[in-house]
Amino acid sequence: KAGVTQTPRYLIKTRGQQVTLSCSPISGHRSVSWYQQTPGQGLQFLFEYFSETQRNKGNFPGRFSGRQFSNSRSEMNVSTLELGDSALYLCASSLGGTTNEKLFFGSGTQLSVL
Amino acid sequence: AQSVTQLGSHVSVSEGALVLLRCNYSSSVPPYLFWYVQYPNQGLQLLLKYTSAATLVKGINGFEAEFKKSETSFHLTKPSAHMSDAAEYFCAVSVKGRGSQGNLIFGKGTKLSVKP
Repeated sequence: KAGVTQTPRYLIKTRGQQVTLSCSPISGHRSVSWYQQTPGQGLQFLFEYFSETQRNKGNFPGRFSGRQFSNSRSEMNVSTLELGDSALYLCASSLGGTTNEKLFFGSGTQLSVL
Repeated sequence: AQSVTQLGSHVSVSEGALVLLRCNYSSSVPPYLFWYVQYPNQGLQLLLKYTSAATLVKGINGFEAEFKKSETSFHLTKPSAHMSDAAEYFCAVSVKGRGSQGNLIFGKGTKLSVKP
């Protein structure tokens, strides 16, 4: 069974640009969560989607948005990039998204903002 | 609000020695607790989780953790370290209910080094 796939693996952008990251969950998984990982702040929850609906949201500005498609694939968009957005963005999937479920993580997209 | 504190950002042990990684949590309701491991350039992988069944939880790769409510702790241990255990370890908490699905509160992580 294929794992969680995130594309692209690396991305370099400049301030003010926008970026879209993609996540394909494990087949059969309906919940997709996104996390930002930085050396200073650690792992922080961005949002979670289930059956194409955003169910939970972390404490990030509106520049961070996402969506989920009918096949459970998810995209995350960051507009008007800032230097502080440089981070590893991790996507995780699970079956139904209950709070005690195991999350399966992808290898992440490393975003560098110059 | 829930939070997790991992004591020690770096821990170094010799191969064959005991591994002890400390985690304390704060939660106003009974939590679910997790330990995840991250190898270089990879995502996170679940080692074990506590969901209010047995307080001693056994995970993969010989790791185990004990939930101690009185100490609000969930320390991770392994009797004998292997070189392949070198990685970063994250303790995480979530609580039951709406608004928490997919939302884990992570500690800052502990990097484990294993010396030959």
